[in-house]
Amino acid sequence: GAVVSQHPSRVICKSGTSVKIECRSLDFQATTMFWYRQFPKKSLMLMATSNEGSKATYEQGVEKDKFLINHASLTLSTLTVTSAHPEDSSFYICSAGHGARNTEAFFGQGTRLTVV
Amino acid sequence: DAKTTQPNSMESNEEEPVHLPCNHSTISGTDYIHWYRQLPSQGPEYVIHGLTSNVNNRMASLAIAEDRKSSTLILHRATLRDAAVYYCILPANTGKLIFGQGTTLQVKP
Repeated sequence: GAVVSQHPSRVICKSGTSVKIECRSLDFQATTMFWYRQFPKKSLMLMATSNEGSKATYEQGVEKDKFLINHASLTLSTLTVTSAHPEDSSFYICSAGHGARNTEAFFGQGTRLTVV
Repeated sequence: DAKTTQPNSMESNEEEPVHLPCNHSTISGTDYIHWYRQLPSQGPEYVIHGLTSNVNNRMASLAIAEDRKSSTLILHRATLRDAAVYYCILPANTGKLIFGQGTTLQVKP
């Protein structure tokens, strides 16, 4: 099946700094990608839809200035957590390949962010 | 978006079949039924999806009720590696996936 790769898999950063997470579709073009976050023992929460060449669409309650999304090419979307705080520590996951109801989604392996 | 209801947890013995139920009573005629699973500390992975007819692939089978208000994911022979959280989702027309709590499957040796 198709492959979606995230980088880094783990990152530790200091409070107040920014962290960038990359999501790449390795063998297909993705006009749409999705970003999720997941707290321990909880389900995935959709944060935003990343659209190639246009602005991301954020879910209600997600701060767009806090979580910057850039989708500059058909194979790369980035999520930047700005001015990170300990409460931003979470598991961040991206997905791609599912632009319609009948298409399967491919997920990255996730990025574990720890803010200290 | 149509919602789904799944049991919080289920147990199975290794090498026995597992039937994971999902209720989606408000499903519309164009809603596809998707199943994903997530192993610990990994991103979810696709399992199977269908519209009306039952579906089979190398991982599992999907049995869809005639009225489409429920479906069952069937793992024919559970292994320890099948222990995961299983999500039943009806994607939006944009493909967007909203995850519920899913069913945590424990497989006992």
